[in-house]
Amino acid sequence: AQKVTQAQTEISVVEKEDVTLDCVYETRDTTYYLFWYKQPPSGELVFLIRRNSFDEQNEISGRYSWNFQKSTSSFNFTITASQVVDSAVYFCALWPNTGFQKLVFGTGTRLLVSP
Amino acid sequence: KAGVTQTPRYLIKTRGQQVTLSCSPISGHRSVSWYQQTPGQGLQFLFEYFSETQRNKGNFPGRFSGRQFSNSRSEMNVSTLELGDSALYLCASSLSGSLAKNIQYFGAGTRLSVL
Repeated sequence: AQKVTQAQTEISVVEKEDVTLDCVYETRDTTYYLFWYKQPPSGELVFLIRRNSFDEQNEISGRYSWNFQKSTSSFNFTITASQVVDSAVYFCALWPNTGFQKLVFGTGTRLLVSP
Repeated sequence: KAGVTQTPRYLIKTRGQQVTLSCSPISGHRSVSWYQQTPGQGLQFLFEYFSETQRNKGNFPGRFSGRQFSNSRSEMNVSTLELGDSALYLCASSLSGSLAKNIQYFGAGTRLSVL
C-alpha cells in the first residue's frame, strides 16, 4: 500500500524566515515518483517538482529546495526567505510505477506567512 | 496555452439531486483524472479516463461516474446527492496518464455544496 504522511498540519512564520515542510512516504515499489504541489486559496493545485526514486540529488529552484532521502523515505521541501505569497497549502504526493497507478496525496501542510 | 478548465466553479444542490461537472483538459492531453477534496478525507482519487476509456477507479460508490469524449473533455456525474458529497472536485490532465514521463496539471476545481 502507498501512503504519504505530512505530519505538520499548519506552520506559521514571519516573512523572510526559512521554513521546511516535511513529507514521509511508504511504498513497496522500487520505482516511484514524488511530487510537491501548492494549493493557493484559488483552489488550483500548482505543480512544483517531480522527483523519481533513482535520483536522490537535491534540487534548488530559486527560493525553493528539496531534500530527497531514500534511506528515511523522506522528501522535504524548504522555502528560503519566505514571502507572504508563499501562503498556501502544500501537498506531497506519491505515484507508484506499478500496480494501481494513481497519485496518493498527503494531508497537506498549511503555511501562513505573515508580514 | 490554456490550462485545465473546470465548469462551473460553484454549485449548490439539494440532497437527492444529481449533478454534472465538466472538465476541459490542456490541449493535446489525453488523460483526465478526477479527485475529491474534503477537509476530513483530503484529496482522494475518483477515476481516470484515457482515450474515452476509464482506466482506473478509486474507492467511491457507483453514484459517482464519469465519461470522456473524443476531444478529451470529461464530465463527472454524481447521482442521488448526499450531504457528504459536498467537496471541491478537482480535475487534472496529463499527456498520457503515466506520471513517470508526464505531469498532472490541475484545474481550479468545482466547489459543490449539498444542502
